[in-house]
Amino acid sequence: GEDVEQSLFLSVREGDSSVINCTYTDSSSTYLYWYKQEPGAGLQLLTYIFSNMDMKQDQRLTVLLNKKDKHLSLRIADTQTGDSAIYFCAETSGYSTLTFGKGTMLLVSP
Amino acid sequence: DAGVIQSPRHEVTEMGQEVTLRCKPISGHDYLFWYRQTMMRGLELLIYFNNNVPIDDSGMPEDRFSAKMPNASFSTLKIQPSEPRDSAVYFCASSLKGHWGYTFGSGTRLTVV
Repeated sequence: GEDVEQSLFLSVREGDSSVINCTYTDSSSTYLYWYKQEPGAGLQLLTYIFSNMDMKQDQRLTVLLNKKDKHLSLRIADTQTGDSAIYFCAETSGYSTLTFGKGTMLLVSP
Repeated sequence: DAGVIQSPRHEVTEMGQEVTLRCKPISGHDYLFWYRQTMMRGLELLIYFNNNVPIDDSGMPEDRFSAKMPNASFSTLKIQPSEPRDSAVYFCASSLKGHWGYTFGSGTRLTVV
């Protein structure tokens, strides 16, 4: 089946930029998402990008998509301690359910 | 809208007991999903419904698991009998059209002792 891979852990200092990476295998992926899960909570949709886009910026968040390499990244500028959470990458072709990665735990230290 | 509402938030039960988890999706959403989250396996899709009809239950681990959606505003996930390996956080999510961003509930943390 289709697969989404993410690194498991990222540690940064407050004020630095964080970059969380994701690779996927489905060449027909049309919709790609980033979700955030804080401790004890459900997943919250952070942002999304369509496959016909290369980049999307939303305040401190920048999503980059390299469709040729099937690589998606989420950059968080000026990372804050409140950004500490698990970040999930997800994709779908639009004809099936979302395929989620296993999540990247982001730890932001003061 | 209050979002996707799940109950209970926490459930502790003894092995062999029946457990029922409940979910109220966002009004107007036509897809409902049940997920299980564990450290070892991450997020697993158990079953999903479209317009109250089960579409794919291939993720349901065993016959001990069953899910129903009697109407557009309510779904249940039942485990009977429960086992310690069922301990996990169970999430319900809903969406419009199935591929658009899912909205997740806060989850039910199930502990089977």
